[in-house]
Amino acid sequence: AQKITQTQPGMFVQEKEAVTLDCTYDTSDPSYGLFWYKQPSSGEMIFLIYQGSYDQQNATEGRYSLNFQKARKSANLVISASQLGDSAMYFCAMRVTQGGSEKLVFGKGTKLTVNP
Amino acid sequence: DAGITQSPRHKVTETGTPVTLRCHQTENHRYMYWYRQDPGHGLRLIHYSYGVKDTDKGEVSDGYSVSRSKTEDFLLTLESATSSQTSVYFCAISEALWGASNQPQHFGDGTRLSIL
Repeated sequence: AQKITQTQPGMFVQEKEAVTLDCTYDTSDPSYGLFWYKQPSSGEMIFLIYQGSYDQQNATEGRYSLNFQKARKSANLVISASQLGDSAMYFCAMRVTQGGSEKLVFGKGTKLTVNP
Repeated sequence: DAGITQSPRHKVTETGTPVTLRCHQTENHRYMYWYRQDPGHGLRLIHYSYGVKDTDKGEVSDGYSVSRSKTEDFLLTLESATSSQTSVYFCAISEALWGASNQPQHFGDGTRLSIL
């Protein structure tokens, strides 16, 4: 079954330090895409970064980077120089083909708390 | 920010009553989606639309119907609300089906629905 696993329900990090949020995925489809979204306490979902399965380089977007290890089926989000405003839920999602049609599957999320 | 407006933002209603949630976009994106978010489940797809009057079911579509009579509006209806449909509902839009590298899904701010 196509699924996303985020094994860390909660993570804590000190302000200005880097943090890695784990995401592993399961798919037999050679073509897929991976997304990370941030959900602050205010509730909105904010797109952060995308990695395609055929992309040769790891995606980066400002302080966000994606540690993509295809053989291990992992797509971990790295946040450098954490800020208090980074405290939020983070969701990993995968675009996959299942039963001849595509869909977007979300993980259950990781709650990140940045401490001053 | 993507021009997505969900209404109402909050609603409390009683079991058995009909409820309609509205998603309005100003981006002229072809694809629109309805998700529900529940603790421990991440986001789950209810229905999606790939054009005016073109809709399809997601993984949790039972008890929900949708309509899209105009590009900019996607309505989600609970014909006879049940307590199990208490949730936060998100609308999303995208230019590419399910999202792509520079065309991810963008989300509205959500509707908090409580069914007593």
